[in-house]
Amino acid sequence: DAGITQSPRYKITETGRQVTLMCHQTWSHSYMFWYRQDLGHGLRLIYYSAAADITDKGEVPDGYVVSRSKTENFPLTLESATRSQTSVYFCASSEDSYNEQFFGPGTRLTVL
Amino acid sequence: ILNVEQSPQSLHVQEGDSTNFTCSFPSSNFYALHWYRWETAKSPEALFVMTLNGDEKKKGRISATLNTKEGYSYLYIKGSQPEDSATYLCAFSDSWGKLQFGAGTQVVVTP
Repeated sequence: DAGITQSPRYKITETGRQVTLMCHQTWSHSYMFWYRQDLGHGLRLIYYSAAADITDKGEVPDGYVVSRSKTENFPLTLESATRSQTSVYFCASSEDSYNEQFFGPGTRLTVL
Repeated sequence: ILNVEQSPQSLHVQEGDSTNFTCSFPSSNFYALHWYRWETAKSPEALFVMTLNGDEKKKGRISATLNTKEGYSYLYIKGSQPEDSATYLCAFSDSWGKLQFGAGTQVVVTP
């Protein structure tokens, strides 16, 4: 399917476990982003990537790791999940730094 | 961390009425301002990306203006319809495309 997809859509895990959220886009967009949705804060940027093998921190990167070995994939890993990481995570992509971003459907993560 | 503020936090509009709301952002080091529409249980969808002072963009009944010198943007909805009910987000972009979002204005249009 064309577009941007995220998997899983829902995930329940326990404190201390490692979790990986997947993001895949079919447009060959250079830029990809991970956001989390938090009450009172709206959407906050976790990490972004300007191209394969180029990543950098956003506003709230602590506790997260990203990689981008292929243009189309941008996985987000929570190394040791904490309850404060319970959130809805959105992946987005854009053609260039000045273009609109296209958002995936989101992954709802609950850390018990 | 920049301060992107949106007001009001929420507003209720009667069907057919027009409305507008504000996004304010730091006027220094401006690169671009984005507007997104976010319906409940869906993902944000881009409305506009604005880069130039004085920019005006329009999509159907929705339009936006930009003042980079004073650091604000207005979003207007003309003749509101129930399908316009959503949260409208603005976001300040740096040159890397990193977005700093405001908390949004929730619009509820009642028939």
